[in-house]
Amino acid sequence: DTGVSQNPRHKITKRGQNVTFRCDPISEHNRLYWYRQTLGQGPEFLTYFQNEAQLEKSRLLSDRFSAERPKGSFSTLEIQRTEQGDSAMYLCASSLEMRVEETQYFGPGTRLLVL
Amino acid sequence: SQQGEEDPQALSIQEGENATMNCSYKTSINNLQWYRQNSGRGLVHLILIRSNEREKHSGRLRVTLDTSKKSSSLLITASRAADTASYFCATDPGGYQKVTFGIGTKLQVIP
Repeated sequence: DTGVSQNPRHKITKRGQNVTFRCDPISEHNRLYWYRQTLGQGPEFLTYFQNEAQLEKSRLLSDRFSAERPKGSFSTLEIQRTEQGDSAMYLCASSLEMRVEETQYFGPGTRLLVL
Repeated sequence: SQQGEEDPQALSIQEGENATMNCSYKTSINNLQWYRQNSGRGLVHLILIRSNEREKHSGRLRVTLDTSKKSSSLLITASRAADTASYFCATDPGGYQKVTFGIGTKLQVIP
């Protein structure tokens, strides 16, 4: 399978717990993105990596959120001390940087429910 | 914040009819992309149109772009029940700036 994969697909947690999601991009892609999507809305940008460098973080990404891409391959997104407002679908996408345009390929997402 | 704004937010048509969705945006772009999302799943890239292009076709999809009006439209011809999904436009300013998604149009095709 050469697509973007995300694990777990679903996560239910209690408020205050920490959660970690994993994204495995398409192997030759050097860019990796995290988005959050709530019901009835489009994906909202959280952060992105070019290789292992985290180049941009959204203001949506509070101090409780941290993302890493240690070897420029897979990435993890951790949410500490989860709140009910963190309940959403977390989407990962990867792309191959091109000078003119790039197409992002999305994973199936991790649906988080914070009780 | 979300730059693109799709119109209508919801659309219901009979199978075989054409579906048209519009997207308006605010800032200059390098390209505009359309994505489809089936219920509760990841997004699938449909088509990309560059800022110097006015129209593009891919199978039953036709996309137009009017940079003077900062708007784009996606036409799906001869719709099928399998086209039922949410459709999002995404604007790419180019360079190292991020792609920004709209809020989407929810399309229902009734068999």
